[in-house]
Amino acid sequence: DTGVSQNPRHKITKRGQNVTFRCDPISEHNRLYWYRQTLGQGPEFLTYFQNEAQLEKSRLLSDRFSAERPKGSFSTLEIQRTEQGDSAMYLCASSGSGYGYTFGSGTRLTVV
Amino acid sequence: AQSVTQLGSHVSVSEGALVLLRCNYSSSVPPYLFWYVQYPNQGLQLLLKYTSAATLVKGINGFEAEFKKSETSFHLTKPSAHMSDAAEYFCAVRAMNTGFQKLVFGTGTRLLVSP
Repeated sequence: DTGVSQNPRHKITKRGQNVTFRCDPISEHNRLYWYRQTLGQGPEFLTYFQNEAQLEKSRLLSDRFSAERPKGSFSTLEIQRTEQGDSAMYLCASSGSGYGYTFGSGTRLTVV
Repeated sequence: AQSVTQLGSHVSVSEGALVLLRCNYSSSVPPYLFWYVQYPNQGLQLLLKYTSAATLVKGINGFEAEFKKSETSFHLTKPSAHMSDAAEYFCAVRAMNTGFQKLVFGTGTRLLVSP
């Protein structure tokens, strides 16, 4: 396995459109995380899955955001009715029984 | 609750000089601590982690960090900077031995290395 894969790498969308990002974690990792990073800031936690169960959601995750992890494998993050404030890098990470996370390269979203 | 503070949003060093990036943490329970590096338009790469086995932790690329409970610090050092070390560095904390799994990151320190 070559690591955590995120697609697309870049997404430009018009305000009001819906977007969906995909994350493929390391296959043996049962935990998956989504983070958002804006310019000049550290990553901020959005949500966490253990297998297919979504166990924790940040208050940053408004009702326009939804995340799924069907069958405990890949995950998707959907943003409905995008706003300019949604422009950010969306990072996915996975972990197994160890302590650290393995991050993907991220999806950079630009809302115009 | 856990948090980290990274002192200095930018640190500039000359190639070959000592690198010191500061991180102080706050945690109501014993913490796990991490340093990550991020290159432009890339994800985060783990440099090293403290998991209570040893207070002096050695990581990749010649970096190391020392956990000092009395000072609530976990500063990152490297004896001799290389041009390739120029990047953004993030300190992160996670609660130990709890059900919470999320990492809490600092705001980052950009390391600039001049020839």
